[in-house]
Amino acid sequence: AQKVTQAQTEISVVEKEDVTLDCVYETRDTTYYLFWYKQPPSGELVFLIRRNSFDEQNEISGRYSWNFQKSTSSFNFTITASQVVDSAVYFCALRTPSVSNDMRFGAGTRLTVKP
Amino acid sequence: DAGITQSPRHKVTETGTPVTLRCHQTENHRYMYWYRQDPGHGLRLIHYSYGVKDTDKGEVSDGYSVSRSKTEDFLLTLESATSSQTSVYFCAISEPGFTQYFGPGTRLTVL
Repeated sequence: AQKVTQAQTEISVVEKEDVTLDCVYETRDTTYYLFWYKQPPSGELVFLIRRNSFDEQNEISGRYSWNFQKSTSSFNFTITASQVVDSAVYFCALRTPSVSNDMRFGAGTRLTVKP
Repeated sequence: DAGITQSPRHKVTETGTPVTLRCHQTENHRYMYWYRQDPGHGLRLIHYSYGVKDTDKGEVSDGYSVSRSKTEDFLLTLESATSSQTSVYFCAISEPGFTQYFGPGTRLTVL
């Protein structure tokens, strides 16, 4: 079965703090894809990153970084020096092509960055 | 940003009435999807299409039907809306095996 767990429902930090959003996934497939999406208060879903199961390299994009660890089935997302504009709901998602064409989303983590 | 529009953006309707939501893309992507977003559940797939007139069910398809007569349009129909279908509906598009990009969403309220 495919499953994504985002255990943190809500996180609140003060601007300039670092924050890590956790994502744990379950799948029996060896080929799969992991994603992070951002949903700001305006409501749209913004694609942030995609990682395939064969690429365990961590990635950094500006203040954003992602830590993919197959050994713990985790794909965590860190925001360094958070800003108010980072306030949003963040979704982690899993896609396993052999099972179905849909993506399984976690329930989301609501991040609030206070000035 | 992917060229995806959804209409209407907001709709209030009454229980038992039919409702059709439209998703339109200008990217000529083969795959189109309908998701619903509910608190505590993230997004869940309702139906998807892998080509004109080719559709399949997702995780929460009961009470919904879809149609795709043109590459650019994917329609979601609630034949007889119920209060449990109050939700935010997102359309997404992708090429096979690639990232899904989402439309702006439609907020549907069934009274």
